[in-house]
Amino acid sequence: GENVEQHPSTLSVQEGDSAVIKCTYSDSASNYFPWYKQELGKRPQLIIDIRSNVGEKKDQRIAVTLNKTAKHFSLHITETQPEDSAVYFCAASRSGGKLIFGQGTELSVKP
Amino acid sequence: DAGVTQSPTHLIKTRGQQVTLRCSPKSGHDTVSWYQQALGQGPQFIFQYYEEEERQRGNFPDRFSGHQFPNYSSELNVNALLLGDSALYLCASSPQAVPGQGLFFGEGSRLTVL
Repeated sequence: GENVEQHPSTLSVQEGDSAVIKCTYSDSASNYFPWYKQELGKRPQLIIDIRSNVGEKKDQRIAVTLNKTAKHFSLHITETQPEDSAVYFCAASRSGGKLIFGQGTELSVKP
Repeated sequence: DAGVTQSPTHLIKTRGQQVTLRCSPKSGHDTVSWYQQALGQGPQFIFQYYEEEERQRGNFPDRFSGHQFPNYSSELNVNALLLGDSALYLCASSPQAVPGQGLFFGEGSRLTVL
């Protein structure tokens, strides 16, 4: 069935370091890949997304890469700050369809 | 713009009872999706509504039902509550032009079943 695997489940970095979260999806028809940030007790917030016709997208300190052949996509956060601490979720979907979420990565940025 | 609003924010029910959760989508959005998020897990898709019809459904039993009104607001109903239904229920909206993309989530309704 449709599945998204996300690693690692927890990630601790020093302020200023980079953080990388990786996801693998099973449905080869997936063509939309968003990333959400969820702070404790808050709603998931879209931070970046990529469509299957693009291999990489960047927005300031955040970038996402997609390898359709390997069915992998990754989130890269550079120059991490304490306010980046949160749970990050990757997801995959076909056009207009349901999002299949990964299990989440708890990122902790230590000052 | 108030974004997606959900009510109630918290509620406690007992096994066997029924619950109705409500959602108003973000202004300009006409498609509403519902997700269940258990503690420490990623959200799981329940169903999606557009033009007052259920367009897509996830792997949830018939105890879970929904409705969308002409003003695009939506309700999620859960009958015969089980302990395992305890979770955060998230409503998300998006425009029909890109119905599953750019989902904007509400703050959720936290349901506890005792």
